Amino acid sequence: DGGITQSPKYLFRKEGQNVTLSCEQNLNHDAMYWYRQDPGQGLRLIYYSQIVNDFQKGDIAEGYSVSREKKESFPLTVTSAQKNPTAFYLCASSIGGTSTDTQYFGPGTRLTVL
Amino acid sequence: AQKITQTQPGMFVQEKEAVTLDCTYDTSDQSYGLFWYKQPSSGEMIFLIYQGSYDEQNATEGRYSLNFQKARKSANLVISASQLGDSAMYFCAMREGVGDDKIIFGKGTRLHILP
Repeated sequence: DGGITQSPKYLFRKEGQNVTLSCEQNLNHDAMYWYRQDPGQGLRLIYYSQIVNDFQKGDIAEGYSVSREKKESFPLTVTSAQKNPTAFYLCASSIGGTSTDTQYFGPGTRLTVL
Repeated sequence: AQKITQTQPGMFVQEKEAVTLDCTYDTSDQSYGLFWYKQPSSGEMIFLIYQGSYDEQNATEGRYSLNFQKARKSANLVISASQLGDSAMYFCAMREGVGDDKIIFGKGTRLHILP
């Protein structure tokens, strides 16, 4: 089945630790995205990548890092520099570069900092 | 200024009734796209419907339709014959311009369908 997978579903981290969230897609999409969602809020863009080996900062990139070494994969690292990392993280992908481009989302990872 | 405004934080609707979720947007681009997503309690964002700024007809997908009023910069989602499974958060979103893959989300409306 084609789709987007995120792992793990739930993640617990101690303060001061880096943690990496996985996002994989088999839709052959060029573009991938990471969003953060806080309770009762909409989605805010962290990073996005329109092509392999290239990515851009979104609105709230501070304290996060990404890589895009393969078309299928776009992992997000939440670093210790992120002051308030407890949130729901959603990964999305899209064909990219078309006027009707639609983003499709994975099931999300809920990160809790203890 | 907010690009996407959803003025209804929460709504309660009786099952089988139609419901309209409001969305207004702000852009100076001539070419843009509007989206609606549904987020059930599981958290996954489900794409519902898309409307392009140059589309003359309102978009429809099954029980979902988008009431697009370009001059008013309004893109309301209409759900006909609501079902209990429609209870969820609904987000309106916009992509501006051509070639920019980013989209901007509103803060959402929580819809409760009552039996």
